[in-house]
Amino acid sequence: KQEVTQIPAALSVPEGENLVLNCSFTDSAIYNLQWFRQDPGKGLTSLLLIQSSQREQTSGRLNASLDKSSGRSTLYIAASQPGDSATYLCAPNYGQNFVFGPGTRLSVLP
Amino acid sequence: DAGVTQSPTHLIKTRGQQVTLRCSPISGHKSVSWYQQVLGQGPQFIFQYYEKEERGRGNFPDRFSARQFPNYSSELNVNALLLGDSALYLCASSPDRAYEQYFGPGTRLTVT
Repeated sequence: KQEVTQIPAALSVPEGENLVLNCSFTDSAIYNLQWFRQDPGKGLTSLLLIQSSQREQTSGRLNASLDKSSGRSTLYIAASQPGDSATYLCAPNYGQNFVFGPGTRLSVLP
Repeated sequence: DAGVTQSPTHLIKTRGQQVTLRCSPISGHKSVSWYQQVLGQGPQFIFQYYEKEERGRGNFPDRFSARQFPNYSSELNVNALLLGDSALYLCASSPDRAYEQYFGPGTRLTVT
């Protein structure tokens, strides 16, 4: 069964901290993996797409890494800001469907 | 270019009724997927359509059905609504099945 877990479930940090969000998936036969951000009651905003052949992908203050063989991905956020407060979801893509984790709820305090 | 659009934004229905949700993908995208997101959980996959054919189905009862039209827009139908069907329904489009997905704002369905 394809399952995704995310650790931690929730995180509260002061502004300016660097932080790491973790994602684990049980089935490593992925095409790619996407990280999303979701604000309360809203749709999903794509942050990064990392292909199965890639190790890392960067966009601004965000860096995602992928270790396909061990079924792990991490999202690194540098110099966090209050505007980063949201739920972060990882989703490996198996071709027919994405499987989402439960998300990490991030609060960045001013 | 316009992003993925969904209608309606909000919907309130009574148990036992039927509902139809609509999705228009990004221009040029041929794949549309539907997800259900219950409050506090990650989205759960319902259907994927590519080139007007069903290519994937999640673990949902037969009360859920969908279709994709020649212009690649899609409808999700849910019959015999239950209280547990209350959720945010998300539509995503992509150029092909294994490509990056782009999500719409969702339709909030409340069943009373």
